[in-house]
Amino acid sequence: DTEVTQTPKHLVMGMTNKKSLKCEQHMGHRAMYWYKQKAKKPPELMFVYSYEKLSINESVPSRFSPECPNSSLLNLHLHALQPEDSALYLCASSQGTVTNEKLFFGSGTQLSVL
Amino acid sequence: QKEVEQNSGPLSVPEGAIASLNCTYSDRGSQSFFWYRQYSGKSPELIMSIYSNGDKEDGRFTAQLNKASQYVSLLIRDSQPSDSATYLCAANTGGFKTIFGAGTRLFVKA
Repeated sequence: DTEVTQTPKHLVMGMTNKKSLKCEQHMGHRAMYWYKQKAKKPPELMFVYSYEKLSINESVPSRFSPECPNSSLLNLHLHALQPEDSALYLCASSQGTVTNEKLFFGSGTQLSVL
Repeated sequence: QKEVEQNSGPLSVPEGAIASLNCTYSDRGSQSFFWYRQYSGKSPELIMSIYSNGDKEDGRFTAQLNKASQYVSLLIRDSQPSDSATYLCAANTGGFKTIFGAGTRLFVKA
């Protein structure tokens, strides 16, 4: 299995809602990532988990809360988002050896904040 | 600020031609470089990786790296309409941090 699975594919939420994005991989990878991508812009790194521990937080606002329950799962909890947070949220995984990390992306969650 | 720079394009080539995509990076400490292809509305897909100076070939794709010039390129031979996509250059700047260029849009005309 060489897939990274993200759910849901689309999400519309109000600014007072709480929602979660989910990501799962069964490639035995030990690093998992959240990237945010706005239209016609490159993916921007948000968080990295390595061996289920938060390794990188790119100064992301606290309304985004990551969670890594185990080595296969990654969640992104959303609360009190702003319309400018509307974007494609991409989960990725890599082997976790630190060197030459190739990223494998899920299909993404297209998020719209009203 | 560590950066990866690409010409946004669009780059338009006829079917069967060679498409040449270029990228420069600012962090001399970067060791790993990648090309991802992203179709409209889809997620990025890894197509090439390169770690040492020189050329690396995989099918119709050739990646080139020149660390002295901080320059990475991707050549696509015998371009096909299905190659039409945005190509993202990426550099690993240390640990798990991979940063992406803005991407070059490629159009291959049939």
